[in-house]
Amino acid sequence: GQNIDQPTEMTATEGAIVQINCTYQTSGFNGLFWYQQHAGEAPTFLSYNVLDGLEEKGRFSSFLSRSKGYSYLLLKELQMKDSASYLCAVRDPTGNNRLAFGKGNQVVVIP
Amino acid sequence: NAGVMQNPRHLVRRRGQEARLRCSPMKGHSHVYWYRQLPEEGLKFMVYLQKENIIDESGMPKERFSAEFPKEGPSILRIQQVVRGDSAAYFCASSQTQGAVRETQYFGPGTRLLVL
Repeated sequence: GQNIDQPTEMTATEGAIVQINCTYQTSGFNGLFWYQQHAGEAPTFLSYNVLDGLEEKGRFSSFLSRSKGYSYLLLKELQMKDSASYLCAVRDPTGNNRLAFGKGNQVVVIP
Repeated sequence: NAGVMQNPRHLVRRRGQEARLRCSPMKGHSHVYWYRQLPEEGLKFMVYLQKENIIDESGMPKERFSAEFPKEGPSILRIQQVVRGDSAAYFCASSQTQGAVRETQYFGPGTRLLVL
C-alpha cells in the first residue's frame, strides 16, 4: 500500500517563500508529482520528480529524497493567486500509472 | 480548448437514481483515469481505462459503480441507485501513454455530485 502525509494548512505573506512538505511510504517508487488545486477547480500539474535532487521551474521548485521518502515543494515570490491546495501524489510502482494522493496542503497568501 | 472535458459540472440526484458522468480526454490521449474526492479528503483512484478496455478497477466499489471508455465517444462513469455517501467531486484525468518515465496525468474540472 501507499501512505502519503502532508500538513494541512499554512499562511504566508505575499512575496515570501513557503515550503510544503510531503512524506510517503510505498512498497516501491515510480515517481512523485505535485499538483495545484484552486477551490472548485481541476488539479493542475506543477512538477515531477523521479530522481533525488531539486527540479526548478520558475517560481516553483520540487525536491526529492527517495531514501527518506520525502519531498518538498518550494514556492518563491508568493503571489495572491498562489492561494490554493497543493497536492503531493506518488505513482503506483507496479506500472499501472495510477496516482495515490495526500490530502493536500492549503496555502493562504495574505497581503 | 484541448484540455480534459467533463460534464456535467454539477449533478443533483435523489437517492436511488442513476448518475452518469462523462469525460472526454485531451486530444491524442488514449488513457483515462477516474478519481473521487470526498470533502476534506484527498483524491482517491477509482478506475483506469484505455479505449474499450478496463485496465485497473481496483479502486472502484464492486457494486453500483461501472465505467466504460468506448471506441467512439467519451468515457462514462455510471453510478446506479445513488446514496448520500456518493456525494463527492469526481475527477477524470487523461494521459498520452502508460508508464513513460515522465508521463503526466492532466485533470478535468470535475463533476460535483450531490445526492439528496
